[in-house]
Amino acid sequence: AQSVTQLGSHVSVSEGALVLLRCNYSSSVPPYLFWYVQYPNQGLQLLLKYTSAATLVKGINGFEAEFKKSETSFHLTKPSAHMSDAAEYFCAVSEGSGTYKYIFGTGTRLKVLA
Amino acid sequence: GAGVSQSPSNKVTEKGKDVELRCDPISGHTALYWYRQRLGQGLEFLIYFQGNSAPDKSGLPSDRFSAERTGESVSTLTIQRTQQEDSAVYLCASTFKAGGELFFGEGSRLTVL
Repeated sequence: AQSVTQLGSHVSVSEGALVLLRCNYSSSVPPYLFWYVQYPNQGLQLLLKYTSAATLVKGINGFEAEFKKSETSFHLTKPSAHMSDAAEYFCAVSEGSGTYKYIFGTGTRLKVLA
Repeated sequence: GAGVSQSPSNKVTEKGKDVELRCDPISGHTALYWYRQRLGQGLEFLIYFQGNSAPDKSGLPSDRFSAERTGESVSTLTIQRTQQEDSAVYLCASTFKAGGELFFGEGSRLTVL
């Protein structure tokens, strides 16, 4: 069965500092992996996704994530945090192109300090 | 419309009443999902529909919850005899292919008094 673990329900960084949000997954087949962002009172929107091509994936707003099979990880990073990055971030996994089922992590709320 | 549309955006109801939440997916999206998001928590999968296949209902928390979808169009999530623990934001999402990006609506916030 698939599962996703996001370490740290709350993360605080200073403006301009590195953002690192952690995601580990479990999947019995090669997974597709996603990061979504949710701003207050809005739905989720896709930041980036991994679908078995390049292991380093670049997304919107300067975010990127690296798929590491040996570590079963897909951590999200951004070199320099902006105040506008404050939001909740969700990691999700699906078992590739043959399934419609997506499992989401519990989310990490990012706070950016001035 | 261009995106996933959900209604109502906010619903306040009394304990024991039934509620219906509606989702209008993006045209052409064959798969439709319902998730529940309780305050401060992650997304809890409820149900998904894919084309004419039998829906995957494995996430519905009790028999008070049900959902319908006609073809590849609108879906309705019904909660009968609402309880206070049903208070949450109910999110709908759709996609046009397995493993593709999910497109989310802005959610229906349900408050049970």
